[in-house]
Amino acid sequence: AQSVTQLDSQVPVFEEAPVELRCNYSSSVSVYLFWYVQYPNQGLQLLLKYLSGSTLVESINGFEAEFNKSQTSFHLRKPSVHISDTAEYFCAVSKSMTNAGKSTFGDGTTLTVKP
Amino acid sequence: DAGVTQSPTHLIKTRGQQVTLRCSPKSGHDTVSWYQQALGQGPQFIFQYYEEEERQRGNFPDRFSGHQFPNYSSELNVNALLLGDSALYLCASSFQGSGANVLTFGAGSRLTVL
Repeated sequence: AQSVTQLDSQVPVFEEAPVELRCNYSSSVSVYLFWYVQYPNQGLQLLLKYLSGSTLVESINGFEAEFNKSQTSFHLRKPSVHISDTAEYFCAVSKSMTNAGKSTFGDGTTLTVKP
Repeated sequence: DAGVTQSPTHLIKTRGQQVTLRCSPKSGHDTVSWYQQALGQGPQFIFQYYEEEERQRGNFPDRFSGHQFPNYSSELNVNALLLGDSALYLCASSFQGSGANVLTFGAGSRLTVL
């Protein structure tokens, strides 16, 4: 069985400051890792994913996440946040080498960017 | 290129009633998964459909059932509604040939049970 723990339920930060949203996972098998973002009254949108290869993955809007197998972590970072980054962020894990079956999600981190 | 579409967007039911939610996957996708997102929580996996069959199921009672049609669209049915079934129901589609469970989500159907 897999599980995901997002260590911070809420992260307030000022505009242009750096931010890190923490995610730890537990799994007995190899996994794929994902970050999704959810804006108010919308569904989830894929932000970035780790499938294989380089452990540092980047999104088009400046977010990055690093897969750390020894620490079973996949923390999300951004060096300078904008007001528009205010949203709910979800870390998710699914078994690797398969595209069937479930993804397991954390309970989310609310990022609030203040002016 | 339309993404995942869900209907209805909002609905209100009373305890004991039945509800049907509908989902059309993103063009080119052949797999549909359903998730329940309670307020303040992450999405919980209900089940996944591929080739018109339920392939995997999460920890949900038999009151939750589904169907996938030949055009890949899907329905989620919930019988004997309970207050605790109030949630946002998310449909997500993916493509089996992609080799990874990369999900495209719809905006959801918000169910309120009174």
